Amino acid sequence: DVKVTQSSRYLVKRTGEKVFLECVQDMDHENMFWYRQDPGLGLRLIYFSYDVKMKEKGDIPEGYSVSREKKERFSLILESASTNQTSMYLCASSLGQGADIQYFGAGTRLSVL
Amino acid sequence: GENVEQHPSTLSVQEGDSAVIKCTYSDSASNYFPWYKQELGKGPQLIIDIRSNVGEKKDQRIAVTLNKTAKHFSLHITETQPEDSAVYFCAAPRSNDYKLSFGAGTTVTVRA
Repeated sequence: DVKVTQSSRYLVKRTGEKVFLECVQDMDHENMFWYRQDPGLGLRLIYFSYDVKMKEKGDIPEGYSVSREKKERFSLILESASTNQTSMYLCASSLGQGADIQYFGAGTRLSVL
Repeated sequence: GENVEQHPSTLSVQEGDSAVIKCTYSDSASNYFPWYKQELGKGPQLIIDIRSNVGEKKDQRIAVTLNKTAKHFSLHITETQPEDSAVYFCAAPRSNDYKLSFGAGTTVTVRA
């Protein structure tokens, strides 16, 4: 079974803090994704990576950056957390060249106070 | 990019009845349509998907139908059970790329 592991289930941070969300997959997948989930808005793509050190902006990249130094690990960084970044963050990975099954982690619920 | 609309946003059904969720997409080149189920406290998990070369696919109590002409696809759950209560998301690929556009989600509640 594919396993996508997100390092924290719940995080509480202060406005202005730098926040790191970590994601690790164990299936040698090429593609990794960070989504934000808010009620009524579905899953919105923040950033995408198709290879080590390669990244692409998604639909809502503002206020976020990412890092992929190793194939299995994809980190989401909030440079200076703000209250409007309070949300559920989901990491996913996929193997294929093109649209393919995405495997999701359990999510990190981040509260910024 | 692909725009995916999902209806209804909430659905309450009596145990044993059927549930139907419908999604429409905008890009006629889209060729892959997955459905994900998200249970409380978990990430979304793929439950069924369909590619554009078929019109229907079934897996036990769940089925997906695709109408390419009308650009819509639907999830059908028959003989619903309490464990079917969850949030369901449809998705469609963006043109020529690895990324998916997701619908806003449907919260399904199965009443005992």
